[in-house]
Amino acid sequence: SQTIHQWPATLVQPVGSPLSLECTVEGTSNPNLYWYRQAAGRGLQLLFYSVGIGQISSEVPQNLSASRPQDRQFILSSKKLLLSDSGFYLCAWSVRGTLHFGNGTRLTVT
Amino acid sequence: DQQVKQNSPSLSVQEGRISILNCDYTNSMFDYFLWYKKYPAEGPTFLISISSIKDKNEDGRFTVFLNKSAKHLSLHIVPSQPGDSAVYFCAATRNTGNQFYFGTGTSLTVIP
Repeated sequence: SQTIHQWPATLVQPVGSPLSLECTVEGTSNPNLYWYRQAAGRGLQLLFYSVGIGQISSEVPQNLSASRPQDRQFILSSKKLLLSDSGFYLCAWSVRGTLHFGNGTRLTVT
Repeated sequence: DQQVKQNSPSLSVQEGRISILNCDYTNSMFDYFLWYKKYPAEGPTFLISISSIKDKNEDGRFTVFLNKSAKHLSLHIVPSQPGDSAVYFCAATRNTGNQFYFGTGTSLTVIP
């Protein structure tokens, strides 16, 4: 069966520090991969999605970036975090029409 | 521009009664719709979906209704249970597309 791993579960980072969140999927090949963010009291905002290695589509201009170095690995990065980057970050995968989420990372930028 | 909207941020229902969660969309190209349930500090979990070729899909206590002409879908939970208390998101996509668009969620509280 397919599983998705996302880490860390919680993270507290100072403003201006770098960020790296990692997500891996097991049990499937060539999935579409996604990064979503849920800000406090708001819905799920699509940040990036990828249909293959090295292929990244960005939905929202910001100081975040994403990379897909391997088929089942998706990384969310930032060179310098802003206070507004605080939120709940979710990695997800899909193969045939249904999106499956990881458990999320709670990022607090102080 | 919010293409999927859930206009009710919260809903309270007595245990055993029906919960009805509503969702509207604006893009007529959407042809596949999903409902997710989310507990605090966890990722959303898939509940039920419906294709635009249907107007109803049922899975146990959960039924999703789709009204294409009104661009409206709803999730019915019968009977509601305290464990159903969570935030519910609806989502829409195109079968040929890669993007899923989510509503802002409805927080359901089932009162014992």
